[in-house]
Amino acid sequence: SQELEQSPQSLIVQEGKNLTINCTSSKTLYGLYWYKQKYGEGLIFLMMLQKGGEEKSHEKITAKLDEKKQQSSLHITASQPSHAGIYLCGADMDNDMRFGAGTRLTVKP
Amino acid sequence: DAGVTQSPTHLIKTRGQQVTLRCSPKSGHDTVSWYQQALGQGPQFIFQYYEEEERQRGNFPDRFSGHQFPNYSSELNVNALLLGDSALYLCASSFGIAGPPSYEQYFGPGTRLTVT
Repeated sequence: SQELEQSPQSLIVQEGKNLTINCTSSKTLYGLYWYKQKYGEGLIFLMMLQKGGEEKSHEKITAKLDEKKQQSSLHITASQPSHAGIYLCGADMDNDMRFGAGTRLTVKP
Repeated sequence: DAGVTQSPTHLIKTRGQQVTLRCSPKSGHDTVSWYQQALGQGPQFIFQYYEEEERQRGNFPDRFSGHQFPNYSSELNVNALLLGDSALYLCASSFGIAGPPSYEQYFGPGTRLTVT
Protein backbone atom coordinates (compact mmCIF):
# COMPACT_ATOMS: atom_id res chain seq x y z
CA SER A 1 0.00 0.00 0.00
CA GLN A 2 1.06 3.55 -0.64
CA GLU A 3 2.42 5.37 2.42
CA LEU A 4 1.39 8.60 0.76
CA GLU A 5 -2.12 8.53 -0.61
CA GLN A 6 -2.99 11.05 -3.26
CA SER A 7 -6.49 12.00 -4.35
CA PRO A 8 -7.93 12.16 -6.81
CA GLN A 9 -5.99 9.82 -9.10
CA SER A 10 -6.98 11.91 -12.08
CA LEU A 11 -8.72 15.17 -12.64
CA ILE A 12 -10.19 16.84 -15.72
CA VAL A 13 -11.06 20.51 -15.39
CA GLN A 14 -12.12 23.27 -17.70
CA GLU A 15 -9.59 26.02 -18.22
CA GLY A 16 -10.10 28.78 -15.70
CA LYS A 17 -11.48 26.53 -12.98
CA ASN A 18 -9.89 26.04 -9.57
CA LEU A 19 -8.83 22.62 -8.32
CA THR A 20 -7.36 20.91 -5.28
CA ILE A 21 -5.16 17.82 -4.97
CA ASN A 22 -4.64 16.11 -1.65
CA CYS A 23 -1.81 14.08 -0.16
CA THR A 24 -2.36 12.12 3.05
CA SER A 25 0.05 10.20 5.24
CA SER A 26 -0.50 7.91 8.19
CA LYS A 27 2.73 9.20 9.70
CA THR A 28 3.82 12.68 10.69
CA LEU A 29 5.48 14.40 7.78
CA TYR A 30 8.78 16.12 8.47
CA GLY A 31 9.32 17.32 4.95
CA LEU A 32 6.62 17.35 2.29
CA TYR A 33 7.45 18.12 -1.32
CA TRP A 34 5.32 18.77 -4.35
CA TYR A 35 6.58 17.98 -7.83
CA LYS A 36 5.13 18.22 -11.29
CA GLN A 37 5.93 15.70 -14.01
CA LYS A 38 5.03 15.78 -17.64
CA TYR A 39 4.33 12.35 -19.04
CA GLY A 40 7.53 10.28 -19.26
CA GLU A 41 9.75 13.14 -18.13
CA GLY A 42 11.63 14.09 -15.00
CA LEU A 43 10.15 15.76 -11.95
CA ILE A 44 10.10 19.52 -11.51
CA PHE A 45 10.33 20.71 -7.91
CA LEU A 46 7.42 23.00 -6.99
CA MET A 47 7.44 23.55 -3.23
CA MET A 48 8.65 22.23 0.08
CA LEU A 49 6.66 22.41 3.32
CA GLN A 50 8.07 21.60 6.72
CA LYS A 51 6.10 23.33 9.45
CA GLY A 52 2.60 22.51 10.56
CA GLY A 53 0.19 25.07 9.16
CA GLU A 54 2.72 26.25 6.60
CA GLU A 55 1.44 27.62 3.32
CA LYS A 56 3.44 28.55 0.25
CA SER A 57 2.45 30.02 -3.08
CA HIS A 58 4.10 30.25 -6.44
CA GLU A 59 2.22 31.99 -9.21
CA LYS A 60 -1.23 30.37 -9.19
CA ILE A 61 -0.26 27.32 -7.14
CA THR A 62 -0.66 27.21 -3.35
CA ALA A 63 0.37 24.34 -1.12
CA LYS A 64 -0.52 23.85 2.54
CA LEU A 65 0.59 21.45 5.24
CA ASP A 66 -1.96 20.87 7.97
CA GLU A 67 -1.27 21.51 11.65
CA LYS A 68 -0.89 17.81 12.40
CA LYS A 69 1.58 17.49 9.51
CA GLN A 70 -0.18 14.49 8.05
CA GLN A 71 -1.98 16.02 5.12
CA SER A 72 -1.08 18.48 2.42
CA SER A 73 -3.14 20.08 -0.30
CA LEU A 74 -2.14 21.67 -3.57
CA HIS A 75 -4.53 24.26 -4.94
CA ILE A 76 -4.42 25.71 -8.43
CA THR A 77 -6.35 28.88 -9.13
CA ALA A 78 -7.69 29.67 -12.59
CA SER A 79 -6.15 26.61 -14.21
CA GLN A 80 -4.43 26.87 -17.58
CA PRO A 81 -3.41 24.22 -20.13
CA SER A 82 0.19 24.72 -18.96
CA HIS A 83 -0.81 23.30 -15.58
CA ALA A 84 -1.53 19.91 -17.14
CA GLY A 85 0.67 17.06 -15.98
CA ILE A 86 1.14 14.67 -13.10
CA TYR A 87 1.44 16.13 -9.63
CA LEU A 88 3.36 14.08 -7.09
CA CYS A 89 3.80 14.57 -3.40
CA GLY A 90 6.94 13.23 -1.77
CA ALA A 91 8.13 12.99 1.80
CA ASP A 92 11.14 11.98 3.84
CA MET A 93 10.32 8.61 5.36
CA ASP A 94 12.57 6.05 6.98
CA ASN A 95 15.73 7.55 5.55
CA ASP A 96 14.59 7.69 2.00
CA MET A 97 12.13 9.65 -0.05
CA ARG A 98 8.69 8.19 -0.72
CA PHE A 99 6.24 9.41 -3.33
CA GLY A 100 2.53 9.19 -3.81
CA ALA A 101 1.22 7.57 -6.98
CA GLY A 102 0.47 10.96 -8.48
CA THR A 103 -2.57 12.89 -9.70
CA ARG A 104 -2.95 13.27 -13.46
CA LEU A 105 -4.38 16.70 -14.28
CA THR A 106 -5.95 17.48 -17.64
CA VAL A 107 -7.01 21.04 -18.40
CA LYS A 108 -9.49 21.40 -21.22
CA PRO A 109 -9.23 24.65 -23.19
CA ASP B 1 24.11 25.93 -16.63
CA ALA B 2 23.42 22.33 -17.61
CA GLY B 3 20.86 20.51 -15.56
CA VAL B 4 20.84 16.80 -14.85
CA THR B 5 21.39 14.77 -17.98
CA GLN B 6 20.73 11.08 -18.52
CA SER B 7 21.57 8.65 -21.27
CA PRO B 8 20.27 6.91 -23.18
CA THR B 9 16.75 8.29 -23.52
CA HIS B 10 15.21 4.95 -24.40
CA LEU B 11 16.47 1.41 -24.25
CA ILE B 12 15.06 -1.97 -25.16
CA LYS B 13 16.61 -5.08 -23.64
CA THR B 14 15.79 -8.75 -23.50
CA ARG B 15 15.05 -10.62 -20.28
CA GLY B 16 18.25 -11.88 -18.68
CA GLN B 17 20.47 -9.21 -20.19
CA GLN B 18 22.36 -6.51 -18.33
CA VAL B 19 21.95 -2.76 -18.72
CA THR B 20 23.90 0.37 -17.73
CA LEU B 21 22.27 3.76 -17.41
CA ARG B 22 24.23 6.99 -17.03
CA CYS B 23 23.67 10.26 -15.24
CA SER B 24 25.53 13.55 -15.05
CA PRO B 25 24.51 15.75 -12.13
CA LYS B 26 23.70 19.42 -12.25
CA SER B 27 26.78 21.63 -12.12
CA GLY B 28 27.86 22.11 -8.52
CA HIS B 29 26.06 19.02 -7.24
CA ASP B 30 27.94 16.11 -5.75
CA THR B 31 25.19 13.68 -4.71
CA VAL B 32 23.27 11.44 -7.08
CA SER B 33 20.14 9.42 -6.33
CA TRP B 34 18.43 6.90 -8.58
CA TYR B 35 14.72 6.15 -8.74
CA GLN B 36 12.56 3.62 -10.56
CA GLN B 37 9.15 4.77 -11.73
CA ALA B 38 6.76 2.13 -13.01
CA LEU B 39 3.90 3.23 -15.21
CA GLY B 40 1.19 4.97 -13.20
CA GLN B 41 3.24 4.95 -10.00
CA GLY B 42 5.38 7.40 -8.12
CA PRO B 43 9.17 7.03 -8.20
CA GLN B 44 10.75 4.50 -5.85
CA PHE B 45 14.13 5.22 -4.36
CA ILE B 46 16.86 2.78 -5.42
CA PHE B 47 20.03 4.22 -3.90
CA GLN B 48 22.12 7.33 -3.39
CA TYR B 49 25.79 7.97 -4.09
CA TYR B 50 28.03 10.49 -2.41
CA GLU B 51 31.83 10.63 -2.45
CA GLU B 52 31.83 7.60 -4.74
CA GLU B 53 30.10 5.42 -2.15
CA GLU B 54 26.58 4.11 -1.81
CA ARG B 55 25.15 5.96 1.18
CA GLN B 56 21.50 5.04 1.26
CA ARG B 57 19.61 2.17 -0.34
CA GLY B 58 15.95 1.45 -0.89
CA ASN B 59 14.28 -1.93 -1.06
CA PHE B 60 15.86 -3.19 -4.28
CA PRO B 61 17.71 -6.48 -4.87
CA ASP B 62 21.45 -6.76 -5.41
CA ARG B 63 20.83 -7.01 -9.15
CA PHE B 64 20.70 -3.24 -8.94
CA SER B 65 24.13 -1.74 -8.44
CA GLY B 66 25.75 1.57 -9.09
CA HIS B 67 28.86 3.58 -9.27
CA GLN B 68 29.87 7.19 -8.87
CA PHE B 69 32.92 8.63 -10.58
CA PRO B 70 35.29 11.34 -9.34
CA ASN B 71 33.50 13.90 -11.54
CA TYR B 72 30.27 13.02 -9.62
CA SER B 73 28.60 11.36 -12.60
CA SER B 74 26.96 8.05 -11.89
CA GLU B 75 25.93 4.76 -13.44
CA LEU B 76 23.09 2.43 -12.59
CA ASN B 77 23.61 -1.21 -13.52
CA VAL B 78 20.88 -3.82 -13.57
CA ASN B 79 21.79 -7.48 -14.06
CA ALA B 80 19.60 -10.41 -15.09
CA LEU B 81 16.81 -8.17 -16.30
CA LEU B 82 13.23 -9.15 -15.55
CA LEU B 83 10.11 -8.03 -17.35
CA GLY B 84 9.16 -6.15 -14.17
CA ASP B 85 12.26 -3.98 -14.48
CA SER B 86 10.57 -2.11 -17.32
CA ALA B 87 10.19 1.44 -16.04
CA LEU B 88 11.35 5.02 -16.27
CA TYR B 89 14.65 5.36 -14.39
CA LEU B 90 15.20 8.78 -12.95
CA CYS B 91 18.39 10.30 -11.69
CA ALA B 92 18.35 13.21 -9.26
CA SER B 93 21.22 15.33 -8.03
CA SER B 94 21.71 17.53 -5.00
CA PHE B 95 24.49 19.13 -3.04
CA GLY B 96 25.89 17.51 0.04
CA ILE B 97 24.47 14.69 2.03
CA ALA B 98 22.15 15.33 4.96
CA GLY B 99 20.08 12.25 5.72
CA PRO B 100 17.33 11.28 3.30
CA PRO B 101 17.77 12.15 -0.38
CA SER B 102 15.12 14.79 -0.29
CA TYR B 103 14.98 18.52 -0.49
CA GLU B 104 15.36 20.37 -3.74
CA GLN B 105 16.69 17.49 -5.74
CA TYR B 106 16.95 18.24 -9.43
CA PHE B 107 15.69 15.43 -11.61
CA GLY B 108 16.87 14.39 -15.02
CA PRO B 109 14.44 13.52 -17.84
CA GLY B 110 14.86 9.80 -17.23
CA THR B 111 15.73 6.72 -19.23
CA ARG B 112 12.82 4.59 -20.33
CA LEU B 113 13.82 0.92 -20.15
CA THR B 114 11.69 -1.72 -21.82
CA VAL B 115 12.46 -5.38 -21.11
CA THR B 116 10.98 -7.87 -23.55
